[in-house]
Amino acid sequence: KAGVTQTPRYLIKTRGQQVTLSCSPISGHRSVSWYQQTPGQGLQFLFEYFSETQRNKGNFPGRFSGRQFSNSRSEMNVSTLELGDSALYLCASSITGGIRDIYGYTFGSGTRLTVV
Amino acid sequence: DAKTTQPTSMDCAEGRAANLPCNHSTISGNEYVYWYRQIHSQGPQYIIHGLKNNETNEMASLIITEDRKSSTLILPHATLRDTAVYYCIAILIMEYGNKLVFGAGTILRVKS
Repeated sequence: KAGVTQTPRYLIKTRGQQVTLSCSPISGHRSVSWYQQTPGQGLQFLFEYFSETQRNKGNFPGRFSGRQFSNSRSEMNVSTLELGDSALYLCASSITGGIRDIYGYTFGSGTRLTVV
Repeated sequence: DAKTTQPTSMDCAEGRAANLPCNHSTISGNEYVYWYRQIHSQGPQYIIHGLKNNETNEMASLIITEDRKSSTLILPHATLRDTAVYYCIAILIMEYGNKLVFGAGTILRVKS
């Protein structure tokens, strides 16, 4: 079966710009989570969406936002980009994001964002 | 979720068993232990999880001590492709909105 698809794979943006990243979950998966990975902070949880609703949120500023569509595809947006936003952004999908997803989450390969 | 402690790095000879330890001394009774690994430039990959009993699947075995304060992930016959960062996570699985809290993990280097 098709895995989690993230686009684009690589992105270069200028400080102050905004960026939108896309994540298509595995077919049938309705929960999508987003993570940021940097060398200094490691993997950090951004937010989780299910049925177009944000259910959990990490400790990131309001410049980081997301949404989910009725087909479960999700986008995350970062406004007013800063150099420190350079990172690998990963999304993970699961069936419900809940207790029935006992076998874990499936991650995409990520979008590598570089802010210059 | 309980904090986990793992060694920074480990080496293993190809074909030998790789035993990766994890300490989770503050784990609560209903927190699961999950293992993920991340191969360079890819997203984390689920390996195995357990609550109290030892578990085995096609990828690995998970040994959890009786007091649940520590666990060991065993890759029975390590190959070069097992070189990765291995993350041990202790998580209370909620009804919804679960998030994974990753530590620094263990860098496993499998050498020929």
